[in-house]
Amino acid sequence: QLQLQESGPGLVKPSETLSLTCTVSGGSISSNNYYWGWIRQPPGKGLEWIGSIYYSGSTYYNPSLKSRVTISVDTSKNQFSLKLSSVTAADTAVYYCARQVYSDRDWYFDLWGRGTLVTVSS
Amino acid sequence: QPVLTQSSSASASLGSSVKLTCTLSSGHSSYIIAWHQQQPGKAPRYLMKLEGSGSYNKGSGVPDRFSGSSSGADRYLTISNLQSEDEADYYCETWDTSTHVFGTGTKVSVL
Repeated sequence: QLQLQESGPGLVKPSETLSLTCTVSGGSISSNNYYWGWIRQPPGKGLEWIGSIYYSGSTYYNPSLKSRVTISVDTSKNQFSLKLSSVTAADTAVYYCARQVYSDRDWYFDLWGRGTLVTVSS
Repeated sequence: QPVLTQSSSASASLGSSVKLTCTLSSGHSSYIIAWHQQQPGKAPRYLMKLEGSGSYNKGSGVPDRFSGSSSGADRYLTISNLQSEDEADYYCETWDTSTHVFGTGTKVSVL
């Protein structure tokens, strides 16, 4: 059964770069049928899509975060990664990685990781 | 881009039914959505994909108590025979070729 697991530092200083990795196990990230995405949730708030990547490296990002976000993929390790630069306290959130169905009409998230809390503080 | 509107909360008694609404913004009434459940302290869980026709496809292991329906720009999630474990936040999601959007979520309380 396919699973996703986020990893990375739980504490990042303001103005620095947040870096997280999502490891996919139980299946291949190199599937024609899926994108892979990052979503975050500030404490007590709702979900915000950050961006998504295909195994080929094709990406698209939330316009509100696009200038600070880079998502990359390493098919040899079955992983994809998130970098968010120039972080502030407003970037404190639980960060989720998720599998995204990819077909003509369907682009929804159908499998989520457990999430990892990242706190931005000095 | 599409916008999704959800009421902030809903409540119903144990064993009864509750119907949640997700409304698509003007010009986007035909869009497909997905429903996700987030129990307290847990990650979201995909429940179903729901089309404007009312046709829906549930995720693996989602109980029969969960069903979907549609009317115009409204997408509904109905939970029948409400159980204590259904107390959670429910989010709708939609997309187009350049973005994903989540609703603000509805908190369901089981009385």
